[in-house]
Order: sequence, then structure tokens, then C-alpha cells
Amino acid sequence: KAGVTQTPRYLIKTRGQQVTLSCSPISGHRSVSWYQQTPGQGLQFLFEYFSETQRNKGNFPGRFSGRQFSNSRSEMNVSTLELGDSALYLCASSLAGRQTTEAFFGQGTRLTVV
Amino acid sequence: DAKTTQPTSMDCAEGRAANLPCNHSTISGNEYVYWYRQIHSQGPQYIIHGLKNNETNEMASLIITEDRKSSTLILPHATLRDTAVYYCIVRPYPNFGNEKLTFGTGTRLTIIP
Repeated sequence: KAGVTQTPRYLIKTRGQQVTLSCSPISGHRSVSWYQQTPGQGLQFLFEYFSETQRNKGNFPGRFSGRQFSNSRSEMNVSTLELGDSALYLCASSLAGRQTTEAFFGQGTRLTVV
Repeated sequence: DAKTTQPTSMDCAEGRAANLPCNHSTISGNEYVYWYRQIHSQGPQYIIHGLKNNETNEMASLIITEDRKSSTLILPHATLRDTAVYYCIVRPYPNFGNEKLTFGTGTRLTIIP
């Protein structure tokens, strides 16, 4: 069974630009979560989508947004990029539902803002 | 979610058992203990989880103390490919629609040849 796929793997953007990252979850998984990883702050939760609705949100500015499509694929967008947005962005998918289940992570998108 | 405390780093000789401790003294009765690891520049990988009984799978064993205030992840025969950062996380069950994982700083495990 295919794992979580994130595209692109690497991205270089200029300050002030915007960027869109994509995540395809494991087939059948309805929940997609996004995380930002930086050397200084570690792994931090951005937001989670379930059935096309944002269920949970971390403590990030409104420049960070996302959406989920009917096939569970998700995108996250960062507008007005800042140097501090340089990070590894990770997507995780899970079955979700009432039982606690494990999350499966993609390889991430390495974003560099110059 | 309960806070966890892990040593910053540990070394283990290749072929030996690696024992990674985690303290979660404020864990609630409805919270599970999860372990993930992250090999350099890759996404975190699920290892194992448990509530109060010891658990074992093909990757590792999880030993949870009777009072549930601490746990130990055991990699029985460590290989160089086990070099990674290991995260101990507690999550409520049922999670009531909250898939958020709160990662701490983890333990950087280095397997020595």
C-alpha cells in the first residue's frame, strides 16, 4: 500500500512570495495533519483536516492555511513568506475516528526562503 | 496532553539492547504512551504504543511501569539503522477527533559500531 506522498520534496522561494505544498494520504485515511520542523522549535503542529474540515489548529499566524479535498488530499499554503518559514514541512495521515490510531508521516517538503 | 521528559542523547553499541526511558508522571488514566522515531531528514515513523500492559511488535518492546508514570522503549538488537531521534508522546484515548501529536525534544540515539 502506498505511503503518504508529499510534493515537492524541495522548494526555494523568495521572501514575500507564497507557496503551496501538497500531501496525498494513505488510501482510506481521512485525517491529514501538517507539522513544521525547524532546528530551533522542533516539530510543531500546524493544523489537522478531517472530511474537508479543519478540526484542530496550532499556534501559527494566519499566513499559514490549508484545505482538504473530497479525496482526502490536502494542501497547505503559506503567504508572504518570511525567512523564518524555512523549515521541513511534514504531513501525516491517519484513519481517525473514535479510536486512537497511529499517524503515518510523509518524507516532508524542505522549504528554503531566501 | 501530558508532558514527557526524555534524556537528550544516548549511545548504544551495535548488537546490544537499546533502552530508552521516558518520564510521564502527569499521565492521565485515559492516555496512551506512543513512541515515534525520526531518522535524519525523514518523516517520523511510528514504533509502538501502549496503555498499561507491556507491548511488543516486530520493531520494539514497550515496558510501562505499574503506576504508568514512566516507560522504556527497548530495541532488542540495535543496528546502525536505528540511529535516530526517538520521541515519547502521550495521547488521550479515545481522542475525540484530536489527531494532534505533541512532540518534545526526544532522545538522540546513536548506535556505535
